[in-house]
Amino acid sequence: EADIYQTPRYLVIGTGKKITLECSQTMGHDKMYWYQQDPGMELHLIHYSYGVNSTEKGDLSSESTVSRIRTEHFPLTLESARPSHTSQYLCASSDLGGGPHNEQFFGPGTRLTVL
Amino acid sequence: EDQVTQSPEALRLQEGESSSLNCSYTVSGLRGLFWYRQDPGKGPEFLFTLYSAGEEKEKERLKATLTKKESFLHITAPKPEDSATYLCAVQGRGGSQGNLIFGKGTKLSVKP
Repeated sequence: EADIYQTPRYLVIGTGKKITLECSQTMGHDKMYWYQQDPGMELHLIHYSYGVNSTEKGDLSSESTVSRIRTEHFPLTLESARPSHTSQYLCASSDLGGGPHNEQFFGPGTRLTVL
Repeated sequence: EDQVTQSPEALRLQEGESSSLNCSYTVSGLRGLFWYRQDPGKGPEFLFTLYSAGEEKEKERLKATLTKKESFLHITAPKPEDSATYLCAVQGRGGSQGNLIFGKGTKLSVKP
């Protein structure tokens, strides 16, 4: 079944730890995205990728980094977590956007809490 | 700069009480306007894409319409299970690299 997966769903971690949030999709999409969302606020794009070996920064500045070694996999890494990184992180995917079907499909999200 | 404003921020309805949610937008060349539903603690769920003024789409109790400046999400005879935050997003042809710009959403509560 075509879907988009994120792990872990919840993560509580201490300041200074390195973390990687996983995102995988079986949608057959080329473009993938990472968003950050705080309660009651809009989604902010922090990273996106057009395909393998492509990574771009989004509208919201973030200390996280991403990689795209495989089409279906788009992990996000924080080298040293801080309380200000506490947020909901959402992964999404879509077609490249040249055709009529530009919809983004989202994973369930990772709720990150940094103590 | 592309921008999306949703109103109201929150809406409380009685079951069966129809209403509309508004999404006003400014964008340099609209490629698409998207509606999503988001339940607490979950990722947004895609509902509709609208591409041009005058277009309408329906799904169960929901109907989305589009003009050159705004979109409406009409909810007919809502049920408690329609309670969620509804997000609107636009995709422009300008400098946003085809990425979506989201509004803050309207939080809908439907009481039985």
